[in-house]
Amino acid sequence: GAVVSQHPSRVICKSGTSVKIECRSLDFQATTMFWYRQFPKQSLMLMATSNEGSKATYEQGVEKDKFLINHASLTLSTLTVTSAHPEDSSFYICSADDSGTSDYNEQFFGPGTRLTVL
Amino acid sequence: GQNIDQPTEMTATEGAIVQINCTYQTSGFNGLFWYQQHAGEAPTFLSYNVLDGLEEKGRFSSFLSRSKGYSYLLLKELQMKDSASYLCAGMDSNYQLIWGAGTKLIIKP
Repeated sequence: GAVVSQHPSRVICKSGTSVKIECRSLDFQATTMFWYRQFPKQSLMLMATSNEGSKATYEQGVEKDKFLINHASLTLSTLTVTSAHPEDSSFYICSADDSGTSDYNEQFFGPGTRLTVL
Repeated sequence: GQNIDQPTEMTATEGAIVQINCTYQTSGFNGLFWYQQHAGEAPTFLSYNVLDGLEEKGRFSSFLSRSKGYSYLLLKELQMKDSASYLCAGMDSNYQLIWGAGTKLIIKP
């Protein structure tokens, strides 16, 4: 099956610093990648949809300037949390749409990145 | 608006059967997904239904009724490792997933 990797798996940073999270599709090309955030005991919240070669589409309430998304190639999307604050501490998960081979736009998820901002 | 409803938590006994229900309202419909998520991990795909009826896959089955906006996930011969959250997600006309809050399933010996 399609594999998506995410790096780093865990990061602890000081308030005010920026953190970059990478999401890679390892064995398929992903035209579209999705970035989610999940707080404890809550469901996935879609932050933005990332399309290769174009600007990301952000969900309502998600600050574009704070959560920078770059999808420079068909196998890599990055999320940069700029000037992170403790309230940004969360579990960030990316997924990729393997529409090239999947019959039903199944999303394959990366293992997630646990961000803790001190 | 778009909405996915599923119970917050369920408890079942090892070896038994449990059914997790999900009702959905989406703008257009391109299928209903079930994902399993263990604590601290990313979701993993379980099933997809776009036509009415039951899809069986080993110990797990998923059912869909489009007229009722209803789906369920059926887990048989429960094992302790099935303790997890089960996420129901509907795909709308834009092929965007609308996620439920997840059902935490607790398996007791």
